[in-house]
Amino acid sequence: KAGVTQTPRYLIKTRGQQVTLSCSPISGHRSVSWYQQTPGQGLQFLFEYFSETQRNKGNFPGRFSGRQFSNSRSEMNVSTLELGDSALYLCASSRGDYQETQYFGPGTRLLVL
Amino acid sequence: KNEVEQSPQNLTAQEGEFITINCSYSVGISALHWLQQHPGGGIVSLFMLSSGKKKHGRLIATINIQEKHSSLHITASHPRDSAVYICAHPGGSQGNLIFGKGTKLSVKP
Repeated sequence: KAGVTQTPRYLIKTRGQQVTLSCSPISGHRSVSWYQQTPGQGLQFLFEYFSETQRNKGNFPGRFSGRQFSNSRSEMNVSTLELGDSALYLCASSRGDYQETQYFGPGTRLLVL
Repeated sequence: KNEVEQSPQNLTAQEGEFITINCSYSVGISALHWLQQHPGGGIVSLFMLSSGKKKHGRLIATINIQEKHSSLHITASHPRDSAVYICAHPGGSQGNLIFGKGTKLSVKP
């Protein structure tokens, strides 16, 4: 079974631009969660999608948004990029029960200049 | 406040040593996760446990629900165990994971 894939793996943007990251979950998984990891704050939850609906949302500004498609693939978008958005963005998939193991993708490393 | 505290923050060991990483949390939880993150960034889920002890190879995870404390042990450590170990639990209003800051382990040959 293929694992969670994320594209692109690396990205360089400038302040004010917007970016879209993609996550393809493990086949059969309906839940996709997004996390931001920075050296200062560690891992922080962004949002979770289940069956094309946002089921849970972390404490991030509205510049961070996401969506999920009918095949469970998910995208997250960050508009008006700031220097502080430089981070590793990870997605994780599961079948959907909060008690389950989540399977993480390799991450997208975003650098904002 | 919903917090997850890990100790130590950094740990250097010699190959073969027994390693213990600790995780304390502040609220009642239903399950606790231990994750491993290698330098490339990828995260692997090691354990999810809600009581007692779990073992997988040289890794052992224990949890004491009453004391709100969990430990991850590595027996006969090896340089390939060098990674960041993170504990987490479902703590948000709808179960999203809340993470500790991680313990960076370096095992020297």
